[in-house]
Amino acid sequence: GAGVSQSPRYKVAKRGQDVALRCDPISGHVSLFWYQQALGQGPEFLTYFQNEAQLDKSGLPSDRFFAERPEGSVSTLKIQRTQQEDSAVYLCASSNTQGGNEQFFGPGTRLTVL
Amino acid sequence: EDQVTQSPEALRLQEGESSSLNCSYTVSGLRGLFWYRQDPGKGPEFLFTLYSAGEEKEKERLKATLTKKESFLHITAPKPEDSATYLCAVQVTLTSGGSYIPTFGRGTSLIVHP
Repeated sequence: GAGVSQSPRYKVAKRGQDVALRCDPISGHVSLFWYQQALGQGPEFLTYFQNEAQLDKSGLPSDRFFAERPEGSVSTLKIQRTQQEDSAVYLCASSNTQGGNEQFFGPGTRLTVL
Repeated sequence: EDQVTQSPEALRLQEGESSSLNCSYTVSGLRGLFWYRQDPGKGPEFLFTLYSAGEEKEKERLKATLTKKESFLHITAPKPEDSATYLCAVQVTLTSGGSYIPTFGRGTSLIVHP
């Protein structure tokens, strides 16, 4: 069956550009998480959706980061006015439980800001 | 602040040489502890969930155990295909905001030589 997919897999942006990263979770999964992973580090929580509701966005680094999941399935992470420090792998994970016990991760989007 | 520390940072083993990876945590209200495997260029792959001290889970050559302060991932007679980064994550008790925020460790990079 289809797993979690993310697009694009790689994105190069010039500093100041806006980017949009897409996540297609496993069909029917209630919970969706976004993480940021720097090289050599574990994933760091950004935000969490339960269906279409964004229940926690405490991990978003600044107001330049915005996430949405309008219909409770596909989610988009948008970064406005990208900075070099935004360069990282952005991971999406979905789970069929409200608490996100067993999370299925996508392959990630590697963002490089020049 | 919740803390998750994994050791060692890197581990090199010969094929067949058993060893253990450690994940120590200082959190209040542990809801669950998770182990993931991450291959280069891919998202983490779920391995185990442990909920209470004394619990053990096994899968092929891997066995995860949990105490009140730490978890171990035991690798018995590893093979080169077990080479990967192993991530530990903890989820604390549901907050008043209604979310479970997972905190990941930095991972242990395991290389198994043939």
